[in-house]
Amino acid sequence: ILNVEQSPQSLHVQEGDSTNFTCSFPSSNFYALHWYRWETAKSPEALFVMTLNGDEKKKGRISATLNTKEGYSYLYIKGSQPEDSATYLCARYNNNDMRFGAGTRLTVKP
Amino acid sequence: GAGVSQSPSNKVTEKGKDVELRCDPISGHTALYWYRQSLGQGLEFLIYFQGNSAPDKSGLPSDRFSAERTGGSVSTLTIQRTQQEDSAVYLCASSATHNPYNEQFFGPGTRLTVL
Repeated sequence: ILNVEQSPQSLHVQEGDSTNFTCSFPSSNFYALHWYRWETAKSPEALFVMTLNGDEKKKGRISATLNTKEGYSYLYIKGSQPEDSATYLCARYNNNDMRFGAGTRLTVKP
Repeated sequence: GAGVSQSPSNKVTEKGKDVELRCDPISGHTALYWYRQSLGQGLEFLIYFQGNSAPDKSGLPSDRFSAERTGGSVSTLTIQRTQQEDSAVYLCASSATHNPYNEQFFGPGTRLTVL
């Protein structure tokens, strides 16, 4: 994988559903993986910075895992709420740049 | 404290004109990043500064793009002879220092439209 790839591109869930999406990235020369949430009409906001293989981070109902050997990270949202509706971006930190995925657009219907 | 600010928030210009976009990072943040998001595309990294220095300018899309940062604070991104494909949202972010472990704090962006 040469670039950072995210799937699915978009996701519609009902309020209360749990959901997850994937970020795949080049595993060689890995430094860190960042997750950001970007709500419409707002700025991207950091969720997690993950560095260690097997790392698991949690913030409220949102958690993320990291596998640096195979080059993927999962983001989980438990009990989705309408306010979770946003685009979720992952970014792989390279030596001199940050390579972002195209994002997963999540819509949570009440 | 104040977050990252950018100006203008919107800019409409005619093809061929020069534009200057400004970013004011969080006070004390030594690292500053420029990104753009074209319609239907992901965030594209353009350039970063550590202090006043930009070690790698290869992410800039063409030689019409330049960026500078003076005094370790405010940065300007200049696009000369704008083209329609330059239309995008230009985002600026800052972090405490340039290292993999620091989250970036984003500004609200400048929406550039080239007619």
